[in-house]
Amino acid sequence: EVQLVESGGGLVQPGGSLRLSCAASGFTVSSNYMSWVRQAPGKGLEWVSVIYNDGRTYYADFVKGRFTISRDNSKNTLYFQMNGLRAEDTALYYCARGRSSSGGPFDYWGQGTLVTVSS
Amino acid sequence: EIVLTQSPGTLSLSPGERATLSCRASQNISRSYLAWYQQKPGQAPRLLIYGASSRATGIPDRFSGSGSGTDFTLTISRLESEDFAVYYCQQYGNSPRTFGQGTKVEIK
Repeated sequence: EVQLVESGGGLVQPGGSLRLSCAASGFTVSSNYMSWVRQAPGKGLEWVSVIYNDGRTYYADFVKGRFTISRDNSKNTLYFQMNGLRAEDTALYYCARGRSSSGGPFDYWGQGTLVTVSS
Repeated sequence: EIVLTQSPGTLSLSPGERATLSCRASQNISRSYLAWYQQKPGQAPRLLIYGASSRATGIPDRFSGSGSGTDFTLTISRLESEDFAVYYCQQYGNSPRTFGQGTKVEIK
């Protein structure tokens, strides 16, 4: 059974850092296209970042240079290092799996981890 | 960036009625790489439709998708109580992947 379990969210001050984790089971993270998608309180879904099976990474313009997506193949885990956090980064962060190794829609989602940026 | 505009913002219907949700793209979506998701309060999104018209695993056949190019539709043939939720379209043919702002289907 495919499962994604996020962790690492919390309350952080503006300018601070957090590292989110997404532990996967039932499939191999390194063989799939994996993304982070966020949802601000009461708002819609917003794609943030992706790592392809070949290691290529891409970011939404609003996080470029601040956030880094990566994975640990030995732990079958996806990570999201978030630096220079701003109030507008406050959101529930989901990790999601692409339906195919090269992309596709997101067929599995975690339950999300909440990031709150506030002083 | 492809902007997706969903309409209406809110759809008020009764159980048993037909729901028609629209998603319009600012430019052509290549190879109909358009998906629909359902999200209920406190839950993660669930994939319903991909490739504009293919149902994801386990999705009931009352859900159907259609369209191509820039205009896409999600139809729920007869609403059941568990279908009242927010629905999002997403394009995955171009980077960045983008979502529509959502349509809320509420009980009338």
